[in-house]
Amino acid sequence: KAGVTQTPRYLIKTRGQQVTLSCSPISGHRSVSWYQQTPGQGLQFLFEYFSETQRNKGNFPGRFSGRQFSNSRSEMNVSTLELGDSALYLCASSPESGRTGELFFGEGSRLTVL
Amino acid sequence: AQSVTQLDSQVPVFEEAPVELRCNYSSSVSVYLFWYVQYPNQGLQLLLKYLSGSTLVKGINGFEAEFNKSQTSFHLRKPSVHISDTAEYFCAVSELHNTGKLIFGQGTTLQVKP
Repeated sequence: KAGVTQTPRYLIKTRGQQVTLSCSPISGHRSVSWYQQTPGQGLQFLFEYFSETQRNKGNFPGRFSGRQFSNSRSEMNVSTLELGDSALYLCASSPESGRTGELFFGEGSRLTVL
Repeated sequence: AQSVTQLDSQVPVFEEAPVELRCNYSSSVSVYLFWYVQYPNQGLQLLLKYLSGSTLVKGINGFEAEFNKSQTSFHLRKPSVHISDTAEYFCAVSELHNTGKLIFGQGTTLQVKP
């Protein structure tokens, strides 16, 4: 079974631009969560989607948004990029929201904002 | 709201020695507890989890953890470490039946020396 796939793996943007990151969950998984990882703030929850609906949202500004498609693939978007948005963005999937206790993580998309 | 404190940012240890990585949490509601490991340039992998039942939980790669409700702790232990255990370890909590949203500690870097 293929794992969680995130694309692109690396990208460089400049301040003010926007970026879209993609996540394909493990086949059959319906819940997708997103996390931001930085050296200073550590791992922080962004949002979770289940069956195309946002179930949870972390404490991030409205520039951060996401969506989930009917095939459970998810995208997150960051608009008006700031230097502080440089981070590793991790996507995780699970079969059902809140049931199995295990999240399966992708290898992440590393965003550098110049 | 929940919070997680990992008491050591770095733990150096010699190969074949025992190790304990400490984790304390704070929550006003019952929680599930997790330990994840992150190897360089990779996503996170679940080591073990406590959902209910026995307070001693065994995980992969010879790791185990003990849930102590009175001390709100969930320390991770391994009786004999290998060089390959060198990685960053994260303790995390979630509300019951809401495991899509994990609250992580700041991480502990385990450095195993030959």
